[in-house]
Amino acid sequence: DSGVTQTPKHLITATGQRVTLRCSPRSGDLSVYWYQQSLDQGLQFLIQYYNGEERAKGNILERFSAQQFPDLHSELNLSSLELGDSALYFCASSTQGGGTDTQYFGPGTRLTVL
Amino acid sequence: AQSVTQLDSQVPVFEEAPVELRCNYSSSVSVYLFWYVQYPNQGLQLLLKYLSGSTLVKGINGFEAEFNKSQTSFHLRKPSVHISDTAEYFCAVSPGGTYKYIFGTGTRLKVLA
Repeated sequence: DSGVTQTPKHLITATGQRVTLRCSPRSGDLSVYWYQQSLDQGLQFLIQYYNGEERAKGNILERFSAQQFPDLHSELNLSSLELGDSALYFCASSTQGGGTDTQYFGPGTRLTVL
Repeated sequence: AQSVTQLDSQVPVFEEAPVELRCNYSSSVSVYLFWYVQYPNQGLQLLLKYLSGSTLVKGINGFEAEFNKSQTSFHLRKPSVHISDTAEYFCAVSPGGTYKYIFGTGTRLKVLA
């Protein structure tokens, strides 16, 4: 158990809909990362937050947005969903969000878009 | 631009045989290097990391990796694998002085009985 929690574990929805994925980091970690993992694209970095502020952006679509709240939990919002958005979405956390940090991954949310 | 290459997408190996999973990177600056493992239906977890010092790094579950600066490689090795090592292995690079964290495409290790 990494100490990172993600909810929900599974999500099934329809094209065009909007969903919110939630992540609670390990106690004491200030930085949160979001990743998308699919069979054809592999593990893709989406976005990183540090203490409530966006720190780095990866291959995140404009239809996707995220935020980190004062209590350090984070939410990833996916809108106008398409079939291709079906994937595993991982949240990870680390202490300071620096390049030497170990990232601790949650169990993931499996999103299925029908 | 920095990148990470894991040339082998799949590596089958018999139980108790040695294995090497290859990772090469490109970067114009010094880097920090990581290997993560993902067991089926789980998130990634850290196997080992190189930040500085000795180029041979020992990790969990009997794995080790060697940082080779001249060849820009960080290959992962285990002298004798077990069925339970069947998983996907990801190499990651963080260029020094940045917050970037770049993962490779992963190598699926399949240990055969």
